[in-house]
Amino acid sequence: SQQGEEDPQALSIQEGENATMNCSYKTSINNLQWYRQNSGRGLVHLILIRSNEREKHSGRLRVTLDTSKKSSSLLITASRAADTASYFCATLTGGGNKLTFGTGTQLKVEL
Amino acid sequence: NAGVTQTPKFRVLKTGQSMTLLCAQDMNHEYMYWYRQDPGMGLRLIHYSVGEGTTAKGEVPDGYNVSRLKKQNFLLGLESAAPSQTSVYFCASSFGVRGGGFTDTQYFGPGTRLTVL
Repeated sequence: SQQGEEDPQALSIQEGENATMNCSYKTSINNLQWYRQNSGRGLVHLILIRSNEREKHSGRLRVTLDTSKKSSSLLITASRAADTASYFCATLTGGGNKLTFGTGTQLKVEL
Repeated sequence: NAGVTQTPKFRVLKTGQSMTLLCAQDMNHEYMYWYRQDPGMGLRLIHYSVGEGTTAKGEVPDGYNVSRLKKQNFLLGLESAAPSQTSVYFCASSFGVRGGGFTDTQYFGPGTRLTVL
């Protein structure tokens, strides 16, 4: 079964609005990463948050991590049509050397 | 600097045929990975390598073999293709898990779309 589960599976918003997507995982982690995938392309790394961090920012992205709830959220502020993509969380677990990806959230930003 | 490249981009096979997918990276990464992506399933790890000459099984290794003879290349082989192997295959690479660092940010290739009839 997947380590990470994103919620919602699909999200449609208007340009300029904020988009929030959530990720829940099952086992303790070393870090959690978010990736973006445009249609027909490979994944691109967006941001990484370590298990001892609670919040991280990168441009219009804000990631939070709550290890007690085993959950993370990705906030994209002031969304643009170019943000339309699928977003995946991925976790690196203790002692592991590979990431486990969730099933993704499909974000559509409409003009 | 091309990053991660995959060959071919598209392929159609008949059941029972064999083929090899090639992944190449020019970032001097130690770790390389092969994933498959199916609708609604996210990415599932097939095999991975933590260095030249090493390979290990991932989540869904059956029906696939891999080789890492050179640090920059990671080959994925299908010996006898089955319709269940119809998927999009992604290769990725990373510096790996460094002592105390624990990052493993991965860089992905553009994917190979494989159809098995």
